[in-house]
Amino acid sequence: QITLKESGPALVKPTQTLALTCTFSGFSLSSRGVGVGWIRQPPGKALEWLGLFHWDDDTRYSPSLKRRITITKDTSKNQVVLTMTNMDPVDTATYFCVHRPEMATTRGGFDVWGPGIMVTVSS
Amino acid sequence: DIQMTQSPSSLSASVGDRVTITCRASQSITNYLNWYQQKPGQAPKLLIYAASNLQSGVPSRFSGSGSGTEFTLTISSLQPEDFAVYHCQQSYSNSPLTFGPGTKVGIE
Repeated sequence: QITLKESGPALVKPTQTLALTCTFSGFSLSSRGVGVGWIRQPPGKALEWLGLFHWDDDTRYSPSLKRRITITKDTSKNQVVLTMTNMDPVDTATYFCVHRPEMATTRGGFDVWGPGIMVTVSS
Repeated sequence: DIQMTQSPSSLSASVGDRVTITCRASQSITNYLNWYQQKPGQAPKLLIYAASNLQSGVPSRFSGSGSGTEFTLTISSLQPEDFAVYHCQQSYSNSPLTFGPGTKVGIE
């Protein structure tokens, strides 16, 4: 059974750097085609894809945020870390980490989601 | 970016109704289109992938169709647990991957 769970601060101040950890189980991020991504959702608004870390270490980012975000993995701990710099109140959102199986399985659909973590940016 | 739109933005329906939601892409995405259901306070759940394939465990009253730029999600007989927000997502291009704005299905 695949599970993912986000952890990190619930509150950050403007201009600070956010670091969120996704701890996963039930799959290997070294398996061909697998990816772990990050998606966020401001309160009452649409989902926004942030980035995707692939099994071969290839990492893709949203063009609008690529200057501010980095996604890395810690294989020994089965974790993927999202770092976002220069946080602003508009970054207030629930942040989800997601599992993406190989493309042939769900054609890019995210089949398992973490419960999400609400992050508020406020002074 | 590939822009995704959904219509309607919200609808009211009764248990047993047939419900159809439309998702349009700003360019052809062939069949790289996925549908999610999100209930309040929960993470989205994958319902349909590749436009018309039912994800494992999803009831057969859900179905998807379409290709190119226009897609539909149909619920053949709305059940009480189906009241939720439905999101479409294109996975044709990851620069960036994009979601529609969502369609809220409420109780009439």
